[in-house]
Amino acid sequence: DIQMTQSPSSLSASVGDRVTITCQASQDINNHLNWYQQKPGKAPKVLIYDASNLETGVPSRFSGSGSGTDFTFTITSLQPEDFATYYCQQYENPHTFGPGTKVHIK
Amino acid sequence: QVQLVESGGGLVKPGGSVRLSCAASGFTFTDYCMSWIRQAPGEGLQWVAKVGCHDSAISYADSVKGRITISRDNAKNSLHLQMNSLRAEDTAVYYCARGGVKRFDAWGQGTLVTVSS
Repeated sequence: DIQMTQSPSSLSASVGDRVTITCQASQDINNHLNWYQQKPGKAPKVLIYDASNLETGVPSRFSGSGSGTDFTFTITSLQPEDFATYYCQQYENPHTFGPGTKVHIK
Repeated sequence: QVQLVESGGGLVKPGGSVRLSCAASGFTFTDYCMSWIRQAPGEGLQWVAKVGCHDSAISYADSVKGRITISRDNAKNSLHLQMNSLRAEDTAVYYCARGGVKRFDAWGQGTLVTVSS
C-alpha cells in the first residue's frame, strides 16, 4: 500500500497568517491527491482535488500544488473558521489518508 | 441537496456482527461509486471499502478483507456494510461517502460502532 506522511502534525497560527502543510507519498502518485478539512465532531470536507483544483464553493485562500511524491497545501490568510485538522488523501492505489495536521489558534 | 444518513451503529461484543446502512438522497445514486471510511476515536481517516455504480468493482482495505461486505441497493438508494468477527480495533465512527475512484465529495454524519465486552 502507498503510505502518506504529513508535516507538521500540528501547528499554531494566528488569524491572517499564511499556513503551509506538506504531504509526501511513498511512491509516485502523479497528481492523484486530494485535501480535506475536518472540524471536531464533523465529517471531512474536500477542499482541493487532483492536487491543485479548488472544489466548488471553497474559498480561494485555499490552494494546493505538487506532483509525483511531494505536495503542498496552503492557506494564504488564515481565518477563524479555518482552525481544523487537514488531511491529504491519495487515490492512486487504492485510497490512503495522511495522518493529519491540526491547525491550532496561537 | 446531497444527503447521506448512516444508521446501525452501536455497542457490539468482540466477535459479533453489525450491519450499517446509509440512505442517500439529492443525487442520482446510480451515477456514483460509494465508499465507507472510518475514524477511530482521536485518530485519522481510513478508507474501508468501495462499491462501483452497479455493484461491480468492489474492493476492500487489507485490514478488513474477509470480515466485511459492502453492498448497495440501487432501487432504495442505499448503501450497506456488513461487518463480522468484530475486534476492538474496529471501534470507530463509520462514514458513508460518495466517491471511490477519486475524491470523496459528500459525507454522512457518521455512525459510531463500539466493540467492547
